[in-house]
Amino acid sequence: DMKVTQMPRYLIKRMGENVLLECGQDMSHETMYWYRQDPGLGLQLIYISYDVDSNSEGDIPKGYRVSRKKREHFSLILDSAKTNQTSVYFCASSLSGGANTLYFGAGTRLSVL
Amino acid sequence: TQTVSQSDAHVTVFEGDSVELRCNYSYGGSIYLSWYIQHHGHGLQFLLKYYSGNPVVQGVNGFEAEFSKSDSSFHLRKASVHWSDSAVYFCAVSGDYKVVFGSGTRLLVSP
Repeated sequence: DMKVTQMPRYLIKRMGENVLLECGQDMSHETMYWYRQDPGLGLQLIYISYDVDSNSEGDIPKGYRVSRKKREHFSLILDSAKTNQTSVYFCASSLSGGANTLYFGAGTRLSVL
Repeated sequence: TQTVSQSDAHVTVFEGDSVELRCNYSYGGSIYLSWYIQHHGHGLQFLLKYYSGNPVVQGVNGFEAEFSKSDSSFHLRKASVHWSDSAVYFCAVSGDYKVVFGSGTRLLVSP
């Protein structure tokens, strides 16, 4: 079954706390992505991972970092979360790059108070 | 730099109507153009994609899109919409790895 799983689905944190968002896929896809979605802005690309330990900044990487130690897992870390990082975060994977279909997780709704 | 513009934030039609959702893009090289659908509370799901060949591509659930190089467009169409087509539709342009999405068009189909 082709699936991208995001945990947790909902998260409330206080400003300054650390946040870990996790994403897993069971398709052995090489490429994984983190996006955030805000009303009226569509999806903004935070990071791309080409494979294990091979990551690249997207369009809005400031305040975020990522980790990919296994092909099936891609984590997004917010060190000292800020209120403007309140958003819905989506993880996606593709077989290899932008030529292939992206498969999305259901999203994590993060509120930073 | 890849950019995608979806000029209509909201489109409302009646069930059985035809609909066209517009997408314009800019990119300097070879690109893939896609459409994705997002139902409320869910992630995006793939609808269709164009890379080369026949400029009209067919997708799932009766959707099709037409590529126009001269207009830099990739508009999505459906001949007869159903209430279940109500969702947000995203156009996307991708090169080798980076995938850039438009801001989305919310389609509301009234019964």
